[in-house]
Amino acid sequence: EAQVTQNPRYLITVTGKKLTVTCSQNMNHEYMSWYRQDPGLGLRQIYYSMNVEVTDKGDVPEGYKVSRKEKRNFPLILESPSPNQTSLYFCASSLAGGGGRETQYFGPGTRLLVL
Amino acid sequence: AQSVTQLGSHVSVSEGALVLLRCNYSSSVPPYLFWYVQYPNQGLQLLLKYTSAATLVKGINGFEAEFKKSETSFHLTKPSAHMSDAAEYFCAVRDTGRRALTFGSGTRLQVQP
Repeated sequence: EAQVTQNPRYLITVTGKKLTVTCSQNMNHEYMSWYRQDPGLGLRQIYYSMNVEVTDKGDVPEGYKVSRKEKRNFPLILESPSPNQTSLYFCASSLAGGGGRETQYFGPGTRLLVL
Repeated sequence: AQSVTQLGSHVSVSEGALVLLRCNYSSSVPPYLFWYVQYPNQGLQLLLKYTSAATLVKGINGFEAEFKKSETSFHLTKPSAHMSDAAEYFCAVRDTGRRALTFGSGTRLQVQP
């Protein structure tokens, strides 16, 4: 089954404790992206990757890191989480050759609470 | 910069009534437009998308949307609401050549029996 998976689905942590949220897709997609969803704000892009070893900032990258060492995986790293990073996080992936008309497929989300 | 406006953060309709969810975008050129649905505790699922072919786009679950360039709108409609349509709906836009989707703030649809 074609899918985007994220782990963990729920996470409670404390300020300053490094964490990683994993994202994996099995559709051989070149493009992968991380979004955060906050009430009343919709989804905002954090980082994206056009292919292996190619990453770039989205609209709200502060406090986050990413890496793309393999095509299928795109982990999101919070080196020193703060309470304002409490949010619902989504990973998405798509093909990259359609000029923008490609459908992005979303993972189930990771709900993060930073105390 | 791109922006998407969804009028009405909450919309309530009766079962069997028309569903109309509004979306307006700002873009200097016709973009690609998408509607996603999010059911409780789930990720986003694509309902339909406009990619410069037909202006009336049909999607899954009986939904459709019409791209109106003169009004910069892409409203989502369904003739008859079903209880299972209760969810949050997001309109999103992407300029040609960009990868990032710009999302609206979402509209929560409630369907009353």
